[in-house]
Amino acid sequence: GAVVSQHPSWVICKSGTSVKIECRSLDFQATTMFWYRQFPKQSLMLMATSNEGSKATYEQGVEKDKFLINHASLTLSTLTVTSAHPEDSSFYICSAPDRARGKLFFGSGTQLSVL
Amino acid sequence: AQTVTQSQPEMSVQEAETVTLSCTYDTSENNYYLFWYKQPPSRQMILVIRQEAYKQQNATENRFSVNFQKAAKSFSLKISDSQLGDTAMYFCAFMKPTAQGGSEKLVFGKGTKLTVNP
Repeated sequence: GAVVSQHPSWVICKSGTSVKIECRSLDFQATTMFWYRQFPKQSLMLMATSNEGSKATYEQGVEKDKFLINHASLTLSTLTVTSAHPEDSSFYICSAPDRARGKLFFGSGTQLSVL
Repeated sequence: AQTVTQSQPEMSVQEAETVTLSCTYDTSENNYYLFWYKQPPSRQMILVIRQEAYKQQNATENRFSVNFQKAAKSFSLKISDSQLGDTAMYFCAFMKPTAQGGSEKLVFGKGTKLTVNP
């Protein structure tokens, strides 16, 4: 079964509203998680690294105030898309490393559609 | 910065045949990891195979094998006995571990769409 759970699988929202996406490690602790964005027919691009108990590290060109990341526990990271606009419509995927097992797991992704 | 290049946007192969997907990368690092991920229509990322740069032996996983040429910075994926379920996007990816550990972020190529025909 899935060891990284991502919710929701898809969400439709109105322009100007905020949307929260959760990424949860189910059977291991993850002090670090990664958030990627994938536009249609394109590759995955790293947006930010989520660090438990400290600030996230954002990749160049990613707006911190637009994509709020919170990693308040060892098993949960959240990505909030604030004041969403149609250009934010994309597939968002998280990943989390299980360092004890030396493996990297991906969530199942969230399709965000902003109307 | 590391870059990963997949020069074949689309490939097709007949069922039971063999196909090779190309990947090249650019890095000044000596120690790193390379991966091939499969993304089927469900869009779930599935690890196909992984290669540590310090290992000379090419990784294999059942029908999947790689040709890792470190000096040429090439990392191709060979799929033998192709099956219909192999139809998917395939992404080559690079990871540079840090000395402190904890930097499992991946740099992906643009992907190759593989279609296996019956």
